Amino acid sequence: RKEVEQDPGPFNVPEGATVAFNCTYSNSASQSFFWYRQDCRKEPKLLMSVYSSGNEDGRFTAQLNRASQYISLLIRDSKLSDSATYLCVALNYGQNFVFGPGTRLSVLP
Amino acid sequence: DTGVSQDPRHKITKRGQNVTFRCDPISEHNRLYWYRQTLGQGPEFLTYFQNEAQLEKSRLLSDRFSAERPKGSFSTLEIQRTEQGDSAMYLCASSPPGTGGHGYTFGSGTRLTVV
Repeated sequence: RKEVEQDPGPFNVPEGATVAFNCTYSNSASQSFFWYRQDCRKEPKLLMSVYSSGNEDGRFTAQLNRASQYISLLIRDSKLSDSATYLCVALNYGQNFVFGPGTRLSVLP
Repeated sequence: DTGVSQDPRHKITKRGQNVTFRCDPISEHNRLYWYRQTLGQGPEFLTYFQNEAQLEKSRLLSDRFSAERPKGSFSTLEIQRTEQGDSAMYLCASSPPGTGGHGYTFGSGTRLTVV
């Protein structure tokens, strides 16, 4: 079983739709969590950090539930430019990131 | 350019050859990481340096792989006797101390194809 798991998708949604991604992690000692965005053949880039209290940045909302070891990302009013792979990431004690396999999103016109 | 720089961007090599990649981190960052990403997967951790000390190595880093950061600045990743399974994107990242992952910056990666 992978340490960080995500539904690989693809999620195909129309412009303007709301889409939610889920992620689970197995290492209860993981310290911090992030969502990264990766465009095709490019490096991952930080989208946002994830906190138990929730974190909102414009159309994006991330949430962490430590009891369930579950992380979510909600994208409202999807844009064509949101099409990418979204990587759920846990930071372990050794300071290295553990990435999920990524969820592919295609926003359709 | 003040970002993380990786060289080369692309490398095609024949099976059995040795290859070496270079990473130049952001100058104030004392931590440097190597990851490998294959198609359809997220990046997988290979190894991590704090200054010149290699503090952690993944079991993915077989005997054919070696990484160095001799002066605590740039790092090299060498793969000896390459195999087709080594074909992947090799990503380098750096971070400053004490930021808990928030200062992580990735380079553009080196894409290796073993033929």
